[in-house]
Amino acid sequence: AQTVTQSQPEMSVQEAETVTLSCTYDTSESDYYLFWYKQPPSRQMILVIRQEAYKQQNATENRFSVNFQKAAKSFSLKISDSQLGDAAMYFCAYRRTGGGNKLTFGTGTQLKVEL
Amino acid sequence: ETGVTQSPTHLIKTRGQQVTLRCSSQSGHNTVSWYQQALGQGPQFIFQYYREEENGRGNFPPRFSGLQFPNYSSELNVNALELDDSALYLCASSFGGLSNQPQHFGDGTRLSIL
Repeated sequence: AQTVTQSQPEMSVQEAETVTLSCTYDTSESDYYLFWYKQPPSRQMILVIRQEAYKQQNATENRFSVNFQKAAKSFSLKISDSQLGDAAMYFCAYRRTGGGNKLTFGTGTQLKVEL
Repeated sequence: ETGVTQSPTHLIKTRGQQVTLRCSSQSGHNTVSWYQQALGQGPQFIFQYYREEENGRGNFPPRFSGLQFPNYSSELNVNALELDDSALYLCASSFGGLSNQPQHFGDGTRLSIL
């Protein structure tokens, strides 16, 4: 069974600074997707960024980028120029290719952004 | 484009009762998944519906059941409620069943069991 581990329950960052959230996963599959979702207090799960395992190039979305290390099964999220609106719970998630919508989530990292 | 909507927002039930939660999928989406998110945890996959059939299920007992309707909206039914069923229930929709299209989540239903 696939597992996703987020070892940082809480992280803090100063506004305009950069922060990196860690995620490791375990799978025997070679083809899969990895995601970072953001969940603000409004509860809606918002997709931040997605990485296909077959792509060597790390995904980027504006201020958000990932460091995908397939051999190490590591998938970290870097947030640059942090903003107050980035404060939320961040979840790392895994989905097997062809596995439909079944996402396996980590336990989350609460990100606080300070002035 | 209408997003994923869930109802009700909050619900309080007692042990042993039954509950039905509802989800309207995003326009154009034909696949709906349900997740249970206990306090302080990540969401856990319950099941997925595609074209009105269940086509994937997580590690949840049979008292968790669902339906998908011809308009692709969905219901999650939970019988014989237990205290551990207290959680946020999230619905997500996408297009294409077992394809790899991105999912869009609703705001969830907060279920409290007394």
